[in-house]
Amino acid sequence: DAMVIQNPRYQVTQFGKPVTLSCSQTLNHNVMYWYQQKSSQAPKLLFHYYDKDFNNEADTPDNFQSRRPNTSFCFLDIRSPGLGDAAMYLCATSRGPSLTDTQYFGPGTRLTVL
Amino acid sequence: GENVGLHLPTLSVQEGDNSIINCAYSNSASDYFIWYKQESGKGPQFIIDIRSNMDKRQGQRVTVLLNKTVKHLSLQIAATQPGDSAVYFCAENMPFKAAGNKLTFGGGTRVLVKP
Repeated sequence: DAMVIQNPRYQVTQFGKPVTLSCSQTLNHNVMYWYQQKSSQAPKLLFHYYDKDFNNEADTPDNFQSRRPNTSFCFLDIRSPGLGDAAMYLCATSRGPSLTDTQYFGPGTRLTVL
Repeated sequence: GENVGLHLPTLSVQEGDNSIINCAYSNSASDYFIWYKQESGKGPQFIIDIRSNMDKRQGQRVTVLLNKTVKHLSLQIAATQPGDSAVYFCAENMPFKAAGNKLTFGGGTRVLVKP
């Protein structure tokens, strides 16, 4: 089945140790998004790629970076994780930029920072 | 609007009863709304959407109502089942420059279905 895949599902890292989360999609969608979701809160958009064009949210900390080497893959890099970065990280894709292009979410990666 | 709370409101409903989940939005220019269901440990799953030129849309066991006058959205689930237990988010989808669309999520409501 076409889908959005996130690896790993659970990631534990140490305070300050760089970590990379990955997302892949078999939908051949043009747009890929990264969200952060903390406990009992709604997902919050960090940034997204439309093809190779990177779009950062104004309030996304510089500690968070992203790479999209090809259509199928997108990575979230956290350069120096702090305790406050512990959260669920969700990847989503949409076919295009149109308003009615539904975003499809992956299962998420739960990040723990020790 | 965006969620800022730490505690999700909870709706407890008896299996077989109807559920109504409410959501208020802030941007009167919003044109497109979506309801997502998020089960524990999973990503949000699309349920149903509605454009601002409509006031009602029905799916399988779900109905979304939109009242633009008071900027209110609701999701009705008919004959609620144990599998409906989840957190439900409304979201506004707005164009983001020319490079995608931007979902802004509401606060979420936890639905607990009692057998």
